[in-house]
Amino acid sequence: DTEVTQTPKHLVMGMTNKKSLKCEQHMGHRAMYWYKQKAKKPPELMFVYSYEKLSINESVPSRFSPECPNSSLLNLHLHALQPEDSALYLCASSQDFFSRGGYTFGSGTRLTVV
Amino acid sequence: AQKITQTQPGMFVQEKEAVTLDCTYDTSDQSYGLFWYKQPSSGEMIFLIYQGSYDEQNATEGRYSLNFQKARKSANLVISASQLGDSAMYFCAMREAPSEKLVFGKGTKLTVNP
Repeated sequence: DTEVTQTPKHLVMGMTNKKSLKCEQHMGHRAMYWYKQKAKKPPELMFVYSYEKLSINESVPSRFSPECPNSSLLNLHLHALQPEDSALYLCASSQDFFSRGGYTFGSGTRLTVV
Repeated sequence: AQKITQTQPGMFVQEKEAVTLDCTYDTSDQSYGLFWYKQPSSGEMIFLIYQGSYDEQNATEGRYSLNFQKARKSANLVISASQLGDSAMYFCAMREAPSEKLVFGKGTKLTVNP
Protein backbone atom coordinates (compact mmCIF):
# COMPACT_ATOMS: atom_id res chain seq x y z
CA ASP A 1 0.00 0.00 0.00
CA THR A 2 1.70 3.17 -1.21
CA GLU A 3 -1.13 5.59 -0.61
CA VAL A 4 -2.18 8.28 1.78
CA THR A 5 -5.95 8.24 2.16
CA GLN A 6 -7.85 11.36 3.15
CA THR A 7 -11.50 11.60 4.09
CA PRO A 8 -13.77 13.25 3.35
CA LYS A 9 -12.90 14.50 -0.13
CA HIS A 10 -15.25 17.46 0.20
CA LEU A 11 -16.61 19.17 3.30
CA VAL A 12 -18.94 22.12 3.74
CA MET A 13 -19.29 23.41 7.28
CA GLY A 14 -20.76 26.35 9.07
CA MET A 15 -18.75 28.66 11.25
CA THR A 16 -20.18 27.15 14.43
CA ASN A 17 -19.68 23.52 13.42
CA LYS A 18 -17.12 21.02 14.67
CA LYS A 19 -15.71 18.63 12.10
CA SER A 20 -12.64 16.45 11.61
CA LEU A 21 -10.44 15.61 8.66
CA LYS A 22 -8.84 12.19 8.61
CA CYS A 23 -5.66 10.89 7.07
CA GLU A 24 -4.31 7.34 7.00
CA GLN A 25 -1.14 5.71 5.68
CA HIS A 26 0.14 2.14 5.91
CA MET A 27 3.61 2.62 4.48
CA GLY A 28 5.32 2.67 7.87
CA HIS A 29 6.27 6.30 7.43
CA ARG A 30 7.36 7.93 10.66
CA ALA A 31 6.40 11.53 9.86
CA MET A 32 3.01 12.93 8.91
CA TYR A 33 2.07 16.43 7.83
CA TRP A 34 -0.88 18.76 7.34
CA TYR A 35 -0.68 21.37 4.59
CA LYS A 36 -3.16 24.06 3.64
CA GLN A 37 -3.43 25.19 0.04
CA LYS A 38 -5.42 28.20 -1.12
CA ALA A 39 -6.43 28.47 -4.76
CA LYS A 40 -3.54 29.24 -7.13
CA LYS A 41 -1.03 29.15 -4.24
CA PRO A 42 1.55 26.60 -3.12
CA PRO A 43 0.86 24.33 -0.14
CA GLU A 44 1.73 25.87 3.22
CA LEU A 45 2.86 23.71 6.10
CA MET A 46 0.61 23.66 9.17
CA PHE A 47 1.77 20.79 11.40
CA VAL A 48 4.34 18.02 11.49
CA TYR A 49 4.12 14.87 13.59
CA SER A 50 7.26 12.82 14.00
CA TYR A 51 6.99 9.43 15.74
CA GLU A 52 3.46 10.41 16.80
CA LYS A 53 4.61 13.57 18.56
CA LEU A 54 3.89 17.09 17.37
CA SER A 55 7.23 18.48 16.24
CA ILE A 56 6.24 21.55 14.23
CA ASN A 57 3.29 23.93 14.59
CA GLU A 58 3.58 26.77 12.10
CA SER A 59 1.72 29.23 14.35
CA VAL A 60 -1.60 27.83 13.26
CA PRO A 61 -4.73 29.30 14.96
CA SER A 62 -6.14 27.16 17.75
CA ARG A 63 -9.36 26.57 15.81
CA PHE A 64 -7.27 23.92 14.04
CA SER A 65 -6.32 21.07 16.37
CA PRO A 66 -4.18 18.18 15.12
CA GLU A 67 -4.14 14.71 16.61
CA CYS A 68 -2.03 11.65 15.89
CA PRO A 69 -3.70 8.63 17.58
CA ASN A 70 -1.12 6.18 16.20
CA SER A 71 1.62 5.94 13.62
CA SER A 72 -0.85 5.39 10.76
CA LEU A 73 -3.49 7.99 11.52
CA LEU A 74 -3.57 11.75 11.55
CA ASN A 75 -6.61 13.88 12.30
CA LEU A 76 -7.28 17.58 12.00
CA HIS A 77 -10.10 18.79 14.23
CA LEU A 78 -11.87 21.93 13.08
CA HIS A 79 -13.91 24.27 15.26
CA ALA A 80 -15.30 27.77 14.75
CA LEU A 81 -13.63 28.22 11.40
CA GLN A 82 -13.81 31.37 9.31
CA PRO A 83 -14.69 31.64 5.61
CA GLU A 84 -11.05 32.46 4.87
CA ASP A 85 -10.15 28.97 6.11
CA SER A 86 -11.77 27.54 2.99
CA ALA A 87 -8.99 25.71 1.15
CA LEU A 88 -7.63 22.36 0.06
CA TYR A 89 -6.17 20.51 3.07
CA LEU A 90 -3.47 18.06 2.15
CA CYS A 91 -2.04 15.32 4.31
CA ALA A 92 1.38 13.84 3.59
CA SER A 93 3.76 11.30 5.03
CA SER A 94 7.48 10.59 4.68
CA GLN A 95 9.96 7.98 5.82
CA ASP A 96 13.00 10.09 6.68
CA PHE A 97 15.22 12.80 5.29
CA PHE A 98 17.24 10.41 3.19
CA SER A 99 14.22 8.82 1.57
CA ARG A 100 14.41 9.37 -2.14
CA GLY A 101 10.70 8.76 -2.50
CA GLY A 102 9.80 12.16 -1.28
CA TYR A 103 6.67 12.93 0.58
CA THR A 104 3.54 10.99 -0.33
CA PHE A 105 0.48 13.21 -0.44
CA GLY A 106 -3.16 12.34 -0.17
CA SER A 107 -5.67 13.69 -2.66
CA GLY A 108 -6.83 16.29 -0.16
CA THR A 109 -10.03 17.52 1.43
CA ARG A 110 -11.66 20.54 -0.19
CA LEU A 111 -13.10 22.50 2.69
CA THR A 112 -15.69 25.24 2.32
CA VAL A 113 -16.66 27.29 5.35
CA VAL A 114 -20.01 29.07 5.02
CA ALA B 1 13.64 35.62 1.74
CA GLN B 2 12.13 33.07 -0.58
CA LYS B 3 13.71 29.68 -0.32
CA ILE B 4 12.40 28.41 -3.64
CA THR B 5 11.88 30.61 -6.70
CA GLN B 6 9.95 29.59 -9.77
CA THR B 7 10.00 32.51 -12.18
CA GLN B 8 7.62 31.12 -14.79
CA PRO B 9 3.97 31.51 -13.73
CA GLY B 10 2.88 29.79 -16.94
CA MET B 11 4.50 27.81 -19.74
CA PHE B 12 3.16 26.49 -23.02
CA VAL B 13 4.58 23.60 -25.01
CA GLN B 14 3.53 21.64 -28.08
CA GLU B 15 2.74 17.99 -27.66
CA LYS B 16 5.82 15.75 -28.16
CA GLU B 17 8.25 18.60 -27.54
CA ALA B 18 10.51 19.00 -24.52
CA VAL B 19 10.04 21.72 -21.91
CA THR B 20 12.17 23.04 -19.06
CA LEU B 21 10.64 24.40 -15.88
CA ASP B 22 12.97 26.63 -13.87
CA CYS B 23 13.67 26.44 -10.16
CA THR B 24 16.29 28.21 -8.08
CA TYR B 25 16.76 27.77 -4.37
CA ASP B 26 18.43 29.51 -1.48
CA THR B 27 20.15 27.65 1.34
CA SER B 28 23.32 27.79 3.35
CA ASP B 29 23.06 24.14 4.33
CA GLN B 30 25.28 21.52 2.73
CA SER B 31 22.69 18.77 3.08
CA TYR B 32 19.33 19.26 1.44
CA GLY B 33 16.90 17.60 -0.92
CA LEU B 34 15.08 19.01 -3.91
CA PHE B 35 11.76 17.70 -5.15
CA TRP B 36 9.40 18.27 -8.04
CA TYR B 37 5.68 17.64 -7.74
CA LYS B 38 2.87 17.72 -10.28
CA GLN B 39 -0.60 18.88 -9.26
CA PRO B 40 -3.43 18.30 -11.75
CA SER B 41 -6.65 20.26 -11.41
CA SER B 42 -8.05 17.41 -9.29
CA GLY B 43 -5.72 18.48 -6.49
CA GLU B 44 -3.50 15.55 -5.64
CA MET B 45 0.23 16.20 -5.36
CA ILE B 46 2.15 13.66 -7.43
CA PHE B 47 5.84 13.14 -6.67
CA LEU B 48 7.95 13.25 -9.83
CA ILE B 49 11.65 13.34 -9.01
CA TYR B 50 14.19 13.89 -6.23
CA GLN B 51 17.74 15.25 -6.18
CA GLY B 52 19.94 15.08 -3.11
CA SER B 53 22.54 17.76 -2.57
CA TYR B 54 25.32 15.16 -2.51
CA ASP B 55 24.15 13.32 -5.60
CA GLU B 56 26.82 13.52 -8.25
CA GLN B 57 24.55 12.68 -11.15
CA ASN B 58 21.38 14.40 -12.27
CA ALA B 59 18.25 12.51 -11.33
CA THR B 60 16.11 10.93 -14.03
CA GLU B 61 12.71 9.22 -13.83
CA GLY B 62 11.29 8.17 -17.16
CA ARG B 63 10.46 11.32 -19.14
CA TYR B 64 11.49 13.54 -16.24
CA SER B 65 15.03 14.67 -15.60
CA LEU B 66 16.43 17.20 -13.22
CA ASN B 67 19.14 19.58 -14.40
CA PHE B 68 20.97 20.14 -11.12
CA GLN B 69 23.53 22.94 -11.09
CA LYS B 70 24.68 23.16 -7.49
CA ALA B 71 26.95 26.19 -7.84
CA ARG B 72 24.13 28.16 -9.44
CA LYS B 73 21.61 26.74 -6.96
CA SER B 74 19.26 25.70 -9.69
CA ALA B 75 17.23 22.51 -10.11
CA ASN B 76 15.34 22.74 -13.36
CA LEU B 77 12.85 20.06 -14.39
CA VAL B 78 13.02 18.81 -17.97
CA ILE B 79 10.02 16.99 -19.37
CA SER B 80 10.74 15.22 -22.63
CA ALA B 81 8.14 14.29 -25.26
CA SER B 82 5.33 16.26 -23.61
CA GLN B 83 1.91 14.69 -23.46
CA LEU B 84 -1.51 16.30 -23.08
CA GLY B 85 -1.77 14.71 -19.65
CA ASP B 86 1.27 16.69 -18.53
CA SER B 87 -0.87 19.83 -18.33
CA ALA B 88 -0.86 20.73 -14.63
CA MET B 89 0.77 22.88 -11.96
CA TYR B 90 4.36 21.95 -11.22
CA PHE B 91 5.94 22.75 -7.87
CA CYS B 92 9.59 22.73 -6.94
CA ALA B 93 10.25 22.08 -3.26
CA MET B 94 13.20 21.83 -0.87
CA ARG B 95 13.91 20.21 2.42
CA GLU B 96 16.96 21.25 4.45
CA ALA B 97 18.56 18.85 6.92
CA PRO B 98 17.65 18.22 9.66
CA SER B 99 14.31 20.01 9.26
CA GLU B 100 11.20 18.05 8.44
CA LYS B 101 9.74 21.00 6.59
CA LEU B 102 9.14 20.75 2.85
CA VAL B 103 8.95 24.26 1.40
CA PHE B 104 7.35 24.88 -1.97
CA GLY B 105 7.90 27.42 -4.70
CA LYS B 106 4.93 29.30 -6.16
CA GLY B 107 4.56 26.86 -9.01
CA THR B 108 4.46 26.90 -12.80
CA LYS B 109 1.32 26.13 -14.73
CA LEU B 110 2.20 24.02 -17.75
CA THR B 111 -0.16 23.77 -20.69
CA VAL B 112 0.51 21.19 -23.40
CA ASN B 113 -1.08 22.08 -26.72
CA PRO B 114 -2.09 19.43 -29.29
